[in-house]
Amino acid sequence: DTAVSQTPKYLVTQMGNDKSIKCEQNLGHDTMYWYKQDSKKFLKIMFSYNNKELIINETVPNRFSPKSPDKAHLNLHINSLELGDSAVYFCASSQARGDTQYFGPGTRLTVL
Amino acid sequence: AQSVTQLDSQVPVFEEAPVELRCNYSSSVSVYLFWYVQYPNQGLQLLLKYLSGSTLVKGINGFEAEFNKSQTSFHLRKPSVHISDTAEYFCAVSGNAGKSTFGDGTTLTVKP
Repeated sequence: DTAVSQTPKYLVTQMGNDKSIKCEQNLGHDTMYWYKQDSKKFLKIMFSYNNKELIINETVPNRFSPKSPDKAHLNLHINSLELGDSAVYFCASSQARGDTQYFGPGTRLTVL
Repeated sequence: AQSVTQLDSQVPVFEEAPVELRCNYSSSVSVYLFWYVQYPNQGLQLLLKYLSGSTLVKGINGFEAEFNKSQTSFHLRKPSVHISDTAEYFCAVSGNAGKSTFGDGTTLTVKP
């Protein structure tokens, strides 16, 4: 009965490849997010969707493209991976914007 | 614009000692305030939150925080810490248009 799940948990890939991370929440929440956490543990918002519509799009390279097929899913596709993309990516959801956020376990991406 | 400043990047403390993790925020509108905890290799989880009402908020695991509007602070406290409290702690604020902003985190290390 995991609330927010992400797959895969670990992702190791070569520079230049394209990869996707999937996120699903079974909480019935309207808002979903993607965060990037770097090696210093700094947490940066990347995107936020509300009812499948993009509402927050921070300064993120356009190699990153989110996609929300329905309210329960928010996937992250990354093109032409670079070394600097190595980080832990967290998906989160909340009932509404600004509410308590529920985080997934994270996906550790390593670009070689 | 809103911002969050966690005044201490690292807090080492001995077991059973009291601890305070400091958080200041700035915002031009009324805000909700949160503290999240991140245990090693896990996602963030909510410790406590302030929405309105009593300025002293109690959370899980014996933590509490006090909202001080005049000083724009939301410091987290625990009277007696355990080894298991070793983790990364994030203060967050949401206000303008429901956007959430996280601080840079405080690493709490509890030593025996």
